[in-house]
Formats: sequence, C-alpha cells, structure tokens
Amino acid sequence: GQNIDQPTEMTATEGAIVQINCTYQTSGFNGLFWYQQHAGEAPTFLSYNVLDGLEEKGRFSSFLSRSKGYSYLLLKELQMKDSASYLCAGMDSNYQLIWGAGTKLIIKP
Amino acid sequence: KAGVTQTPRYLIKTRGQQVTLSCSPISGHRSVSWYQQTPGQGLQFLFEYFSETQRNKGNFPGRFSGRQFSNSRSEMNVSTLELGDSALYLCASSLAGGMHEQYFGPGTRLTVT
Repeated sequence: GQNIDQPTEMTATEGAIVQINCTYQTSGFNGLFWYQQHAGEAPTFLSYNVLDGLEEKGRFSSFLSRSKGYSYLLLKELQMKDSASYLCAGMDSNYQLIWGAGTKLIIKP
Repeated sequence: KAGVTQTPRYLIKTRGQQVTLSCSPISGHRSVSWYQQTPGQGLQFLFEYFSETQRNKGNFPGRFSGRQFSNSRSEMNVSTLELGDSALYLCASSLAGGMHEQYFGPGTRLTVT
C-alpha cells in the first residue's frame, strides 16, 4: 500500500535548528513535497524534491534519499512564526499526492 | 494575481442532505484538486480535474462527485451527507497538476449534524 509517515508533534526552541523526518512508500515515485500550514489557514508550498540531495531555500532546506524512501525538512534559526504543521506528500506513478498526517511544530521562546 | 477562492466558507447541514461546494482557481491554472482534511488524518485526496476531465480519483464513495467548467472553476458535490463527512474541504489549483506547485484555497468548513 501507499503510506507517508512523519512524527505527530515536535518541540524546538527559538533560534535553534529542527529536522522533521518523513518516510514514504508509494506506487512509483514522482517527487516529494513539503507544505506549511498555520492553524486555521490553508497549506502553502515549501519545497519539491525529485532528485537525491539537499535543496536549500533560505532558512529552510529539504533533503531526499530515493533509495531509502526518506526525506527531511530542516528549519534553521527558528522563529516563533515557524510554529505550524508541516505536511509531507509523496507523488505516485499516477501523479497523485499521498499526504502524511502532518507534524505539528511548537516553538518555545 | 487573485488567489484561490472557495465558497461558502462555512456550512452546516443535516444528515441525508446534499451539499455543493465551489472553487475558483487562480487565473490560468487548469488543474483543480479537492481534499478532505480532518484532525489527525491529514489531507485525503478526493479528485483532480484538468481541462474539464477528471484525471485522478481518491478512495471516496460515489456520494462524492465533482465537475469542472470551461473556465476551470470547479464544484464538488456530496450527496446523502453523513456525520463523518464533517471536515474542512480544501481546493487547490495548479498550472497543470502533476509536479507543479499547488495553491490552496481557504477551505469550506462543513459541519453535518
């Protein structure tokens, strides 16, 4: 079957670094997305990886290992506004997104 | 550029009724996807429309249906509502679906009593 696993909740300190992991199992693979969703708001796009390696975009970076079915989102210099849920989604061979349940990130001062 | 709009934003219905939700994508976007979001379950894919054709469908019963018009606007219909249909329904548009980034609307919060 198809499955996306990510931790339910994580806590980190303002100014620190946090890594949110995601493992995936999809029928075929056409890339992995990360979205950010603040409480009561719609998800917004963060990153898309289809090749192995690290992609950096400001304070956020995303990593993919296709052989391990594994990705992570790295957030540096955490700010209070980074408190949100982070959604991992794998794209299968039909170009359909399979979503994880999301990781709620709590930032403490 | 205007974002994705969804109407209505909130809806309360009773069991057995039917409901129609509307989504207007970003201008120029031809793909519209619909999702159901419930606490703890994440986003569940309902279906995707591209150029008025259903291109992909998730594992939802036939009570859930949709359509897309020539201007790319999309509607989703749920018939014979059940309590378990209470959720946030999100619509997302993208240029062509697939590997293109999706832009989400604010959602319609449906409560079934």
